[in-house]
Amino acid sequence: DTEVTQTPKHLVMGMTNKKSLKCEQHMGHRAMYWYKQKAKKPPELMFVYSYEKLSINESVPSRFSPECPNSSLLNLHLHALQPEDSALYLCASSQFPGFGNGELFFGEGSRLTVL
Amino acid sequence: GNSVTQMEGPVTLSEEAFLTINCTYTATGYPSLFWYVQYPGEGLQLLLKATKADDKGSNKGFEATYRKETTSFHLEKGSVQVSDSAVYFCALGSTDKLIFGTGTRLQVFP
Repeated sequence: DTEVTQTPKHLVMGMTNKKSLKCEQHMGHRAMYWYKQKAKKPPELMFVYSYEKLSINESVPSRFSPECPNSSLLNLHLHALQPEDSALYLCASSQFPGFGNGELFFGEGSRLTVL
Repeated sequence: GNSVTQMEGPVTLSEEAFLTINCTYTATGYPSLFWYVQYPGEGLQLLLKATKADDKGSNKGFEATYRKETTSFHLEKGSVQVSDSAVYFCALGSTDKLIFGTGTRLQVFP
């Protein structure tokens, strides 16, 4: 199994809603990532979890709250978002932390629209 | 700091044409270099990588060589297919960062 599975694929929410994005991998990878991608732009790193602990937070607003319940799961909790937060949210994993030699495996993404 | 510069797109080619997408980088130390591909409506997939100078990465007919003297990692394919239509991202990896270029859209017509 070489997949990273993200749910839901599409999400529409109002600015007062609370929702969550979910990501799952069963490759035994010990690092997991959240990226945000706006249209026609490269992905931007948001968070990194290494061995289930948050290791990098790229100054993301607190209305985005990551959670790593176990080594296979990664959640992104969303609350009080703004329309400019509408984007494709990509989850990725790698065998070990660090970007030097490793390959990142990406999910297909969750396309979020904030009304 | 580290950075990646990619040629602007879109690149429009006929099937079986030769492809080059230019990528140059600035970096301290000895980063790894990657090409990722994003097909419409999908996430990114690693296409190929090179971890040290003079390494050549190759996959699915695509190739790129890590050239330290010109700080480049240009992507090439001898004969493109319609199914190669996608956005291609050059990326530079160090211990704590994976820096993507802005992406180059490739459109291949029959």
